[in-house]
Amino acid sequence: DAKTTQPPSMDCAEGRAANLPCNHSTISGNEYVYWYRQIHSQGPQYIIHGLKNNETNEMASLIITEDRKSSTLILPHATLRDTAVYYCIAHYGGATNKLIFGTGTLLAVQP
Amino acid sequence: DAGVIQSPRHEVTEMGQEVTLRCKPISGHNSLFWYRQTMMRGLELLIYFNNNVPIDDSGMPEDRFSAKMPNASFSTLKIQPSEPRDSAVYFCASSGTGREKLFFGSGTQLSVL
Repeated sequence: DAKTTQPPSMDCAEGRAANLPCNHSTISGNEYVYWYRQIHSQGPQYIIHGLKNNETNEMASLIITEDRKSSTLILPHATLRDTAVYYCIAHYGGATNKLIFGTGTLLAVQP
Repeated sequence: DAGVIQSPRHEVTEMGQEVTLRCKPISGHNSLFWYRQTMMRGLELLIYFNNNVPIDDSGMPEDRFSAKMPNASFSTLKIQPSEPRDSAVYFCASSGTGREKLFFGSGTQLSVL
């Protein structure tokens, strides 16, 4: 899997959009970008994934640059409950979903 | 569905004792993963199974660790003998095939004194 780089921490005001960046400059053409988050003392939770098109679901939006070397996870209206560590993972998938988690970004939503 | 179920939630034991962690994956999922999380090393993949067969155990730290999946609805992670450095949160996760998302359990907080 391609290496991903994320800032260690970010702050966001409650009610504002949270934009979490991720660099994956060595990503290969068949690797997807996955985002998970881990709220304190809970197991990681899937958010969204995509290959090259932008994706949106009920939790977030994923914007992938045209060259696929970076992506941004957008939480449109952050709440205090979105405070968590967010992990960006580049992974092919294939027959299995063996995911290797990095250190992620600690997003602190401030009241 | 109740999700991935792990037991116990908390385990406190003394060095040298055997520890067994248990996991019930989501029904119908054919992949199961054991992860360990510590402050120093983050979230590490220990081993994963496909269709009850261990596929990759390269993350298992040493021979004191063993994992089994006797059937599609149950897996165990055993540490024998346990050591203080094994103290961590152990997560179990399951998924369907291909690129389906992983579902994690609530974890087992293990403290070895």
